[in-house]
Amino acid sequence: SQQGEEDPQALSIQEGENATMNCSYKTSINNLQWYRQNSGRGLVHLILIRSNEREKHSGRLRVTLDTSKKSSSLLITASRAADTASYFCATDALAGTASKLTFGTGTRLQVTL
Amino acid sequence: GAGVSQSPRYKVAKRGQDVALRCDPISGHVSLFWYQQALGQGPEFLTYFQNEAQLDKSGLPSDRFFAERPEGSVSTLKIQRTQQEDSAVYLCASSSHGLGYTFGSGTRLTVV
Repeated sequence: SQQGEEDPQALSIQEGENATMNCSYKTSINNLQWYRQNSGRGLVHLILIRSNEREKHSGRLRVTLDTSKKSSSLLITASRAADTASYFCATDALAGTASKLTFGTGTRLQVTL
Repeated sequence: GAGVSQSPRYKVAKRGQDVALRCDPISGHVSLFWYQQALGQGPEFLTYFQNEAQLDKSGLPSDRFFAERPEGSVSTLKIQRTQQEDSAVYLCASSSHGLGYTFGSGTRLTVV
């Protein structure tokens, strides 16, 4: 079953605007990861934030994590048409070794010119 | 290889047919995962290998699903007597140390 939900389910913005996606999860985690999926393609790893971190940046991406609320957000600044994709959060419950990821339901982002 | 390779890219099977999906992980990656992604949903875990050992198969939906990784590299997911509800994209991922996973492009299975 899915770990939690992402909000919004769909988001449409214009190029240059910022896009914010939220993710909620249910159980304790070791880390939380964000992935992008273009239509008909596999998932691409974007960024990982550990449970003891509150914020992380990578290029135009900013991720926050609030373990007390079991929630995370992904901010894409200055969006581009190429950012059009589905975005998924995924939680990893075990420390120190690879373990299964539990994915959210995804946010479909559409960036228009 | 440079990435995780899955084949075939697309598979159409008649209901009741057996199918085999292949995953070639990144060379040296110890961990290998299979996920199932229904249309419009997030991926759901099927099974996990560490080298040739299948450590977790709790996500396999029925005994018609079987996965193997006999030499600790290439893995095959086999679905016997396919049914319409098996239609989905099957994703394979590999990982070296559990920090970030590399996914393949998936196999889209359509059962007709």
